[in-house]
Amino acid sequence: DTEVTQTPKHLVMGMTNKKSLKCEQHMGHRAMYWYKQKAKKPPELMFVYSYEKLSINESVPSRFSPECPNSSLLNLHLHALQPEDSALYLCASSLYHSYNEKLFFGSGTQLSVL
Amino acid sequence: AQSVTQLGSHVSVSEGALVLLRCNYSSSVPPYLFWYVQYPNQGLQLLLKYTSAATLVKGINGFEAEFKKSETSFHLTKPSAHMSDAAEYFCAVSGGNQGGKLIFGQGTELSVKP
Repeated sequence: DTEVTQTPKHLVMGMTNKKSLKCEQHMGHRAMYWYKQKAKKPPELMFVYSYEKLSINESVPSRFSPECPNSSLLNLHLHALQPEDSALYLCASSLYHSYNEKLFFGSGTQLSVL
Repeated sequence: AQSVTQLGSHVSVSEGALVLLRCNYSSSVPPYLFWYVQYPNQGLQLLLKYTSAATLVKGINGFEAEFKKSETSFHLTKPSAHMSDAAEYFCAVSGGNQGGKLIFGQGTELSVKP
């Protein structure tokens, strides 16, 4: 199994809603990532978890709250989002968090904030 | 700080023609360089990576890239384009003082004409 699975694939939410994005991998990877991607732009790193501990937070607003319950799961909790947060949210994993590691990406969750 | 520049946000080739996507990097230390591809409505997939073992790197789907330190380049090539190669291509760099972060270029959209 070399897949990173993200659910849901599409999500529409209002600015007062609370929702969560889920990411799962069963490759034994110890590093997991959240990226945000706007249309026609490169992915922007949001968070990195290494061995289930948050190791990088790229100054992401607190309305985005990551969680890593175990080595296979990564969640992104969303609350009070703004319309400009509408984007494709990509989860990725790698064997370790290191310079030369290959990232495996999920297909993403397309988020629309109304 | 490290960075990559992809020359040309959009490249169009005919089916069967040579594909050349340009990437130049800036790094004060020996870099790790990557090419990722993103097909429509999907996440990113690694095509190939350079980690100093060999300057000519072969990847998946017939793509290859050559690391040229004197030109600070890592251009991606494929001898004969297929319709299925139409996608967004991202060059990326990591290493040095970026803490294992992957720095993406702005991307090049490849179109393949029949």
